[in-house]
Amino acid sequence: KQEVTQIPAALSVPEGENLVLNCSFTDSAIYNLQWFRQDPGKGLTSLLLIQSSQREQTSGRLNASLDKSSGRSTLYIAASQPGDSATYLCAVRGGSYIPTFGRGTSLIVHP
Amino acid sequence: DAGVIQSPRHEVTEMGQEVTLRCKPISGHNSLFWYRQTMMRGLELLIYFNNNVPIDDSGMPEDRFSAKMPNASFSTLKIQPSEPRDSAVYFCASSAPNTYNEQFFGPGTRLTVL
Repeated sequence: KQEVTQIPAALSVPEGENLVLNCSFTDSAIYNLQWFRQDPGKGLTSLLLIQSSQREQTSGRLNASLDKSSGRSTLYIAASQPGDSATYLCAVRGGSYIPTFGRGTSLIVHP
Repeated sequence: DAGVIQSPRHEVTEMGQEVTLRCKPISGHNSLFWYRQTMMRGLELLIYFNNNVPIDDSGMPEDRFSAKMPNASFSTLKIQPSEPRDSAVYFCASSAPNTYNEQFFGPGTRLTVL
């Protein structure tokens, strides 16, 4: 059974820092990996989707990488802003297309 | 596109009552997912439909929970009878092969069972 772990569980940084969120998974036979953002009391917003054949995806200040062989993905946020404060979740879809979510990293960017 | 639509947004009910949650996936999406989110357990997949057929329902907690997808544009999640431990936020999501199976989530239904 696929297990997804996100480290750290919580992170507090000053505005302007570059930061890295980590996602690890136990079964490397994945179909895709997706990063989401969730604001308090809200639904999940898709940030980036990486197919199993891809190494990375970029959108604005966000860059996500995928290393299937080591079972890892990272989400890099450049020049963090207070508006980036949210919980970030990664989800892995296996060969059966069933998604498994991590518990998320709660990020606070303070001015 | 309107995105994934869920109703109601909030539901407060008493223990023992039947609860029905509704979801309209994005038009053209052929996969639909029901999730439950709690502080204790995080986001859990309850059931996954593909082309209106349940593919994996191993996450459905017990027989009190049932889900249907009578057509490509509508799904329901029913809890009967409801219990206080069912209190959670229930999310619906959908995806399609022609958009690389990227999942899109609805706003969720916050369920409180007293």
